[in-house]
Amino acid sequence: QVQLVQSGAEVKKPGASVKVSCKASGYSFSHSAGYYIHWVRQAPGQGLEWMGGINPDTGDPSSAPKFHGRVTMTTDTSINTAYMDLRRLTSDDTAIYYCASETFGPTKKSFDCLGQGTLVTVSS
Amino acid sequence: QTVVTQEPSLTVSPGGTVTLTCASSTGAVTSGYYPNWFQQKPGQAPRALIFNTDKTHSWTPARFSGSLLGGKAALTLSGVQPDDEAEYYCLLYHGGAQPWVFGGGTKVTVL
Repeated sequence: QVQLVQSGAEVKKPGASVKVSCKASGYSFSHSAGYYIHWVRQAPGQGLEWMGGINPDTGDPSSAPKFHGRVTMTTDTSINTAYMDLRRLTSDDTAIYYCASETFGPTKKSFDCLGQGTLVTVSS
Repeated sequence: QTVVTQEPSLTVSPGGTVTLTCASSTGAVTSGYYPNWFQQKPGQAPRALIFNTDKTHSWTPARFSGSLLGGKAALTLSGVQPDDEAEYYCLLYHGGAQPWVFGGGTKVTVL
């Protein structure tokens, strides 16, 4: 079974960048097609927001239009870890960031497992 | 901009049944939207419950079921227990520039 463990909480100043990691166990990034890692965030007291994701097998990323140019999603297959890098932070980026695994196929898109979350606080 | 709409809140009695729905501003929800449902309790990460409209995970309690209902995705809780009190989110696949969109969530109160 897939498990996702994320990096710890971060406090950043406006204008800075943050990089959150998500280490997967239970499957290998480099030997498993049909998996995707998504990033989802939740501002305080708010709902869930899909930010984007990456196919660890191909390295192909995608992101929601509102984050274009500000977010980069990568993977390091040698250590089975995905990363989400968010730049030019503002107070509106204060949120818990989750990674989530998806297994997919021709007729299947299944979100399976979420990490424990990483709180990112943006404050001057 | 695509909007996915859920009921903001629902109340159900213990042992009762409640159905949550999930609508897309793009039109009727079909299996091609691959509805996924999540449960989130306060202070916890979301937990996946349903995928592909009506498929359950190995950890999903049998009282949870998914379906399509009147052009919407639906999540039905049968024989509700106090432990089911939580926020429930649907997630729909739209493809294109914004492939995935979450609904705003439904807060289910067991009273």
